[in-house]
Amino acid sequence: SQTIHQWPATLVQPVGSPLSLECTVEGTSNPNLYWYRQAAGRGLQLLFYSVGIGQISSEVPQNLSASRPQDRQFILSSKKLLLSDSGFYLCAWNAGGWEQYFGPGTRLTVT
Amino acid sequence: AQTVTQSQPEMSVQEAETVTLSCTYDTSENNYYLFWYKQPPSRQMILVIRQEAYKQQNATENRFSVNFQKAAKSFSLKISDSQLGDTAMYFCASGGSNSGYALNFGKGTSLLVTP
Repeated sequence: SQTIHQWPATLVQPVGSPLSLECTVEGTSNPNLYWYRQAAGRGLQLLFYSVGIGQISSEVPQNLSASRPQDRQFILSSKKLLLSDSGFYLCAWNAGGWEQYFGPGTRLTVT
Repeated sequence: AQTVTQSQPEMSVQEAETVTLSCTYDTSENNYYLFWYKQPPSRQMILVIRQEAYKQQNATENRFSVNFQKAAKSFSLKISDSQLGDTAMYFCASGGSNSGYALNFGKGTSLLVTP
């Protein structure tokens, strides 16, 4: 069966510090991968998606970036965090179909 | 571009009663799917039900069913025999093949089921 992992589960970082969130999927190959952010009291906003290694599509211009160094690994990064980067970050995958399966999420607080 | 609108920020229903959550959407894609996801306090996103846009028949999953009105671009969720465990945020979402099957979500409806 397929599983999706995200870490860390929670993170508190000062403004201006770097960020690296990792997502890995097990039990499938060549998945589509997604990063979403959920701000407090709001819905999920698509940040990036990837349909293959090295293929990253950005939906929202901001100080975040994404990379896919391996088939089942998706990384969200920032060189310098802003207060507005605080939120709940969710990674998701699908096998080229329609249903998306979500990871447990990372709660990021920028202080 | 795709947009999803949920006009009910909060709703409340008594246990065993029926409640309907509203959702409207707009999409430029011809081939798309619609979804309802549940997010309990644990914040894990759980798929409740999905609807293929090319199918006229409304999807049903046990106590959950949808009313899909394609011409009106409406996609409501009906929860029958509500249970305390149904208390959660509910998100409506749409996805199309032109954007890598990425989902566009509404802002959510917070549902409280009371005893």
